[in-house]
Amino acid sequence: AQKVTQAQTEISVVEKEDVTLDCVYETRDTTYYLFWYKQPPSGELVFLIRRNSFDEQNEISGRYSWNFQKSTSSFNFTITASQVVDSAVYFCALSVGSNDYKLSFGAGTTVTVRA
Amino acid sequence: GAVVSQHPSRVICKSGTSVKIECRSLDFQATTMFWYRQFPKQSLMLMATSNEGSKATYEQGVEKDKFLINHASLTLSTLTVTSAHPEDSSFYICSARAGGPPTQYFGPGTRLLVL
Repeated sequence: AQKVTQAQTEISVVEKEDVTLDCVYETRDTTYYLFWYKQPPSGELVFLIRRNSFDEQNEISGRYSWNFQKSTSSFNFTITASQVVDSAVYFCALSVGSNDYKLSFGAGTTVTVRA
Repeated sequence: GAVVSQHPSRVICKSGTSVKIECRSLDFQATTMFWYRQFPKQSLMLMATSNEGSKATYEQGVEKDKFLINHASLTLSTLTVTSAHPEDSSFYICSARAGGPPTQYFGPGTRLLVL
């Protein structure tokens, strides 16, 4: 069975602070995919990134960066110099072939950026 | 690219009526579409998976006669909530996936309120 744990329920920061969201996953599959999605107050889930289990390179996209570490089964997400528009719920998710690539979501972390 | 639309965005109906929600992939062919339900401040709960031209696969605990899913084409899936009751009030979100990389792209969601 697959499991995704986002231990942080809520994080509140002041604009321009950095924010790191933790994600720990569990799976017995050797091939799997990890995702981060953003859900702003409007409700739509916005795809941010996909990583497969064979690619441990960290990635940076603008103010967003991701740290994938198989040794600790973690896929953490950092927002640098946060802005009010970053306020949203962020979900980490996992999919594996043995489960038809269905997404197993974490509980989500609500990020509030105050001006 | 990878745009998914959902209609309607919001619906209010009387108890006992049926409501149909449409999910369309606008710029790609979706071999698989998913339907989720999300309660306030909670994560997404997968209801069912539908592949074009075949019957939907429902998750445990989801009543297939209550939530009818049709995936008639590679760009359209519909969810019909039959004989809706107040407890069916929720945020329903669809997602679509093309063949190949298992990234799901989400629609904007439908807020259903049953009075």
